[in-house]
Amino acid sequence: NAGVTQTPKFRVLKTGQSMTLLCAQDMNHEYMYWYRQDPGMGLRLIHYSVGEGTTAKGEVPDGYNVSRLKKQNFLLGLESAAPSQTSVYFCASSPFSGANVLTFGAGSRLTVL
Amino acid sequence: QQQVKQSPQSLIVQKGGISIINCAYENTAFDYFPWYQQFPGKGPALLIAIRPDVSEKKEGRFTISFNKSAKQFSLHIMDSQPGDSATYFCAARSGGTSYGKLTFGQGTILTVHP
Repeated sequence: NAGVTQTPKFRVLKTGQSMTLLCAQDMNHEYMYWYRQDPGMGLRLIHYSVGEGTTAKGEVPDGYNVSRLKKQNFLLGLESAAPSQTSVYFCASSPFSGANVLTFGAGSRLTVL
Repeated sequence: QQQVKQSPQSLIVQKGGISIINCAYENTAFDYFPWYQQFPGKGPALLIAIRPDVSEKKEGRFTISFNKSAKQFSLHIMDSQPGDSATYFCAARSGGTSYGKLTFGQGTILTVHP
């Protein structure tokens, strides 16, 4: 059972480039989330999804877009990367709203030069 | 605006000692308070959690103390071991239609020396 898988694990971009981070979960979870982790800032919610075809903004959504075309996948896109988006990105999933555990992926480290 | 404030930012403890990490919150709508543990290169994983109707919860060497009136909660690690060296995050979740979203504290890097 793989749980939550993130690809790629590492990526270096130049300012203005675009890219997509992929999150896949094999637990049939309804809810999925994208967080970013920065030193001294903890984890901050970027976007989340409560089901296939639905997405919503989190705490820090600017500069990011997401899509959930399939229940098991949640994509995070950067249309025009900026150095401020250098971070470690974590995807997480949860079976339903009342569930008390988020299962996280191993993270994707993104550097924007 | 950090809704959950965590301290200290880093903590060094000797093996066998007690590690204490504190968190404070403002939003009285929070109804669930988990702690996550993260090892280098890994994602956070749930360690222990508490609801505000309980003042203390203990699981092995890990204890959460909760003070609802002060809006504070803390993690105590008894008999700290080098294997406990990790980053710890407190978090909080709003009740109702929160869709399971967690608000995290800033994190505490714990180092336990042998």
